[in-house]
Amino acid sequence: LAKTTQPISMDSYEGQEVNITCSHNNIATNDYITWYQQFPSQGPRFIIQGYKTKVTNEVASLFIPADRKSSTLSLPRVSLSDTAVYYCLVGDQNTGGFKTIFGAGTRLFVKA
Amino acid sequence: EPEVTQTPSHQVTQMGQEVILRCVPISNHLYFYWYRQILGQKVEFLVSFYNNEISEKSEIFDDQFSVERPDGSNFTLKIRSTKLEDSAMYFCASTARLADSYEQYFGPGTRLTVT
Repeated sequence: LAKTTQPISMDSYEGQEVNITCSHNNIATNDYITWYQQFPSQGPRFIIQGYKTKVTNEVASLFIPADRKSSTLSLPRVSLSDTAVYYCLVGDQNTGGFKTIFGAGTRLFVKA
Repeated sequence: EPEVTQTPSHQVTQMGQEVILRCVPISNHLYFYWYRQILGQKVEFLVSFYNNEISEKSEIFDDQFSVERPDGSNFTLKIRSTKLEDSAMYFCASTARLADSYEQYFGPGTRLTVT
C-alpha cells in the first residue's frame, strides 16, 4: 500500500476554489487514487477516483500528473457545508482492496 | 438511493460485557468491512469479509473481535469482553465488486461507549 501525505488542515472562504494535494511517491502501476469526505460523526463518503490525467464529477475534480506521484482534489466554489475531513487513499483495488487504510486526512475549514 | 444501515446508533456498555454491533449492507454488495474511529482520530480498518470468511484483518482485530453474516442481510461485529479503549465510532461499509473496493459505501456508524 502506497503511503500518502496530505496537509493536516486548510482554511478557505465560501465561494473559493479549494485544492488539496496528496503526495504518494511510491505509487505502484496498478494503484488507483481515491478521495473520501467525512463530516463529523458520519461515515466517510466516496468523492472521486482516478488513475491518471483528470477526472471530474458533479462534486469535484481530480488532477493527476503524468508521474502520478501526487494528486490534487479540487472543490469548486466551496460552501460552509464543505467543512469536513478529506482523505486520499492509494491502492490496487484488485489486490489491496481487502485492507483499506485511511491516513490522517486534511481538515478543511470553510469560513463565511 | 440504497444505503448501509447500522444499529444501534449508540450503545453504552460496562467494561467486560459483550456487545454486538449490527449492519445491513446494500443488498447486492458482496464485500463487507468494519472500521473504527476513536474520537478525534483517523478511521482505522478492522476487518474485511467476503464469501462468508474474513479476507483481511488488522492488528486491532484480536481474539476479542469476531464477525458474522448470520443471514442474507445482516453483518455483525461482536466484541466479547469490552474494554474502556474500545470506546469509539464503529463504521460498517460494503461494496459490490472487488474492482470497486476503494469505492465503499459507509453506514452512519454506531457510537460505542464503554464505562
